[in-house]
Amino acid sequence: DTGVSQDPRHKITKRGQNVTFRCDPISEHNRLYWYRQTLGQGPEFLTYFQNEAQLEKSRLLSDRFSAERPKGSFSTLEIQRTEQGDSAMYLCASSLSGDTQYFGPGTRLTVL
Amino acid sequence: RKEVEQDPGPFNVPEGATVAFNCTYSNSASQSFFWYRQDCRKEPKLLMSVYSSGNEDGRFTAQLNRASQYISLLIRDSKLSDSATYLCVVPDSGGSNYKLTFGKGTLLTVNP
Repeated sequence: DTGVSQDPRHKITKRGQNVTFRCDPISEHNRLYWYRQTLGQGPEFLTYFQNEAQLEKSRLLSDRFSAERPKGSFSTLEIQRTEQGDSAMYLCASSLSGDTQYFGPGTRLTVL
Repeated sequence: RKEVEQDPGPFNVPEGATVAFNCTYSNSASQSFFWYRQDCRKEPKLLMSVYSSGNEDGRFTAQLNRASQYISLLIRDSKLSDSATYLCVVPDSGGSNYKLTFGKGTLLTVNP
């Protein structure tokens, strides 16, 4: 399968713990995006990378959130000191420049 | 006006019916628009792009009215497999398509 992959698919954690998610984009896609989706809502933009450079961060991305794409390939999204309000589906997408964004299957986070 | 607003739904239609979804957007500078389809607990997938007045692909027709900032999606001869949530999507920036703003989605159930 050469689509966008995400790991883990599900994560249950206790409030206050740190979690890290990984996204592997489609090979040779230079742009990578993170979105968050809660029940009954459409995905909301969090941040995006062009190659290794993080070019925009949404105000939704508090100081507890950090994203990296160190070599311009895979990306990680870390949430520190998780809160119950962080429970959501975290979706990664990739594209070749401004072309169609292809989404991965998402990581479903539950914070107890 | 909200950034992207869709018919709240849900829509329940019999097989073979024609159904239309409406979407309004607030960013008058947007040049292109998308309809994504999202199955339950799956990732969004691109259904159609709309760059000019409209686009047709088989049973699906998307129309754009720039003056009214309105997009529609028409599904003819609906199939059971069309059951999904349909997301209206507007890129935040005119040409680069990097930041997608999603509507809440409209849930469609096609019944036998």
